[in-house]
Amino acid sequence: DTAVSQTPKYLVTQMGNDKSIKCEQNLGHDTMYWYKQDSKKFLKIMFSYNNKELIINETVPNRFSPKSPDKAHLNLHINSLELGDSAVYFCASSQDLPGVRDTQYFGPGTRLTVL
Amino acid sequence: RKEVEQDPGPFNVPEGATVAFNCTYSNSASQSFFWYRQDCRKEPKLLMSVYSSGNEDGRFTAQLNRASQYISLLIRDSKLSDSATYLCVVSVMDSNYQLIWGAGTKLIIKP
Repeated sequence: DTAVSQTPKYLVTQMGNDKSIKCEQNLGHDTMYWYKQDSKKFLKIMFSYNNKELIINETVPNRFSPKSPDKAHLNLHINSLELGDSAVYFCASSQDLPGVRDTQYFGPGTRLTVL
Repeated sequence: RKEVEQDPGPFNVPEGATVAFNCTYSNSASQSFFWYRQDCRKEPKLLMSVYSSGNEDGRFTAQLNRASQYISLLIRDSKLSDSATYLCVVSVMDSNYQLIWGAGTKLIIKP
C-alpha cells in the first residue's frame, strides 16, 4: 500500500502549457504539502494545507495554484509553464500541523521537464 | 545569512568511521528540529527528530544547541548504506507556520 502517491511520475511538456500534478495520501493525515526541489537539490516548501485550509503559502508565482478537494488530496496546477519550473515536485503529508513533532511522509516525486 | 545552513560536502568517509555534521539556524524562535535522509533520486525520509535533551537511535545521535543555534548529527560505525544526503529541517511557529529546509550535506561512505 502506497502511503503518499503522486501522478504522474514524469512529466515532459512544452513551455506555455498548463499541467496538473495530483497527490493522494491514505494515512488519514490532516496536513499536506507541496515542495519543489530544483537541480541544485534545494528543497523548498511551496504550500501546505491543513484540513483543506491553506496554512502555508510561500512566495511562488501565481501561475501555481494548489487545490485540496478533501484532506486526502492535494493537487497542484501550473499555468503557462516556464523553463525554470523544471524540477522535482514532492507531495508530503503529516498527521499534525507543520513543525509539530511529527513525521512528514513524502510521495515519490514528479519529475517535471519543461522544454 | 541563510535561515538554515549546512555544509554541502561531500564528506568522503571510510566505512566504519564516525562522522558528524552540523546545521545552523538563524531564527531563535525555532521550535522543532529534524534530520531527514534523501537517497539519490528518491524522496526524503525522516531519520530522527531532535530533542532538547539530545536523542540516540542506534548508531545515530542528534543534538540541539540552542545557545549557539545549531543541531548536529553523529553517525558511528558508518555503513556503505549510510551514503545519502542528510537534510535538516527547522520549524518556526509564530504568526505563520514556517518549515525551513537546509540544502543538505552529502555523505559518501567508501569501502
